[in-house]
Parts: sequence; structure tokens; C-alpha cells
Amino acid sequence: SQQGEEDPQALSIQEGENATMNCSYKTSINNLQWYRQNSGRGLVHLILIRSNEREKHSGRLRVTLDTSKKSSSLLITASRAADTASYFCATLNSGYSTLTFGKGTMLLVSP
Amino acid sequence: DAGVIQSPRHEVTEMGQEVTLRCKPISGHDYLFWYRQTMMRGLELLIYFNNNVPIDDSGMPEDRFSAKMPNASFSTLKIQPSEPRDSAVYFCASKGTNYNEQFFGPGTRLTVL
Repeated sequence: SQQGEEDPQALSIQEGENATMNCSYKTSINNLQWYRQNSGRGLVHLILIRSNEREKHSGRLRVTLDTSKKSSSLLITASRAADTASYFCATLNSGYSTLTFGKGTMLLVSP
Repeated sequence: DAGVIQSPRHEVTEMGQEVTLRCKPISGHDYLFWYRQTMMRGLELLIYFNNNVPIDDSGMPEDRFSAKMPNASFSTLKIQPSEPRDSAVYFCASKGTNYNEQFFGPGTRLTVL
């Protein structure tokens, strides 16, 4: 079953703007990961946040996690046309070895 | 490192034919995952292996689907007989035991006519 649900389903912005995508999940997690998928390609891991962390940064990426609300957000600052892709959150549920992926947010960054 | 390798990249076949998808995981990774991606259902885990042993195949849609991992560097996903509703992109991914990140292959786009 799809645990992570991303919001919005699609997002269109201009270069230089910030993009925020949200993810909600239902059960206890060990960690939450964000992946990017360019058109016609496989998924690429971006960043991981553990259940005992609240915020994490990596370059232009900022991820937050609120376990009380079972939600996470991915912020891409100063977006570029090359950031155009689909973004997926994936949860590693407590006691399991597999990831459960959401359906993704399609981000379009226009020059 | 070449990353996860999948073949073929594209496969077009007719209903009823047997289809075999292939995957070579990253050397040293002991977990291998097969996923299916469609617009309607998103990314679904079909089966995963640990040290070449199938651990959970509860995501395999039906008996027409089978997967094997005869050694640490090769896995196959077979569909026999194929049906139009099997049309999707099939991904293979691998990871190491002490790591959370999964590495995905480029996928095989399967079209069953």
C-alpha cells in the first residue's frame, strides 16, 4: 500500500523561486527519505531524515519531519530548470526492511 | 561503479508471450528490490531479496510473475504469460546492509499489446 502521500500532485514555479512539497504518512517510521526521478530515469536518493530528527539540510534542500503530525516537507531553495522532476517521499516503517513510496509531486521549473 | 544495470530498456511484446527482465545490482549490495511503476498505482514493491534469498514476494500480483536471484550479481523477473495490464516501467534497486539508501536502475519500459 502507498503510505506516503505527497502534496501537491503538481507544482509549477519560476527559476529562482522556492519549491515546497509535503508528505504525509500513516504508521510509525524509522526514517523518511526523499527521492527525485527525472523523466524516463530511475529514482535517485536525495536526503534521509531519521525519526528522531526534526530538520536536515543538504545544499539547497531542507527537509523537516513532524512525527506528531506524521508529515514531512521538502524545500528546494533558489530552484533551477534542472530541478524539474518528480519528487517522492518514502518511509522505512519500524520493523521492516522495505520502503513505501508515495505517488510523487511533479515539479516544473520554468526558466 | 556502473550502478544498477537493467536490460532491456524497452520491451514490446504481444499478449501471451513470455517476458524476462534482467538486473545486475551494484557489487557488494546484498539487498535487491523489484518495483513496478504505473500512473495509476505509483511505485509498487513486487519482491525483494536478501543475500539472494527471496524475503517477501507479497507484492507479486499473481502467479504469472516470478523472480529469481541465482547469484549475487544477477536477478530476473519473468512474466508468463504477459497481459496488456502488465504494461509498466519495472525498476530494480539495490542497497547494502548497513545503508538505508536504495540505488535504482534506469528501468525497463514494458508494453504488452
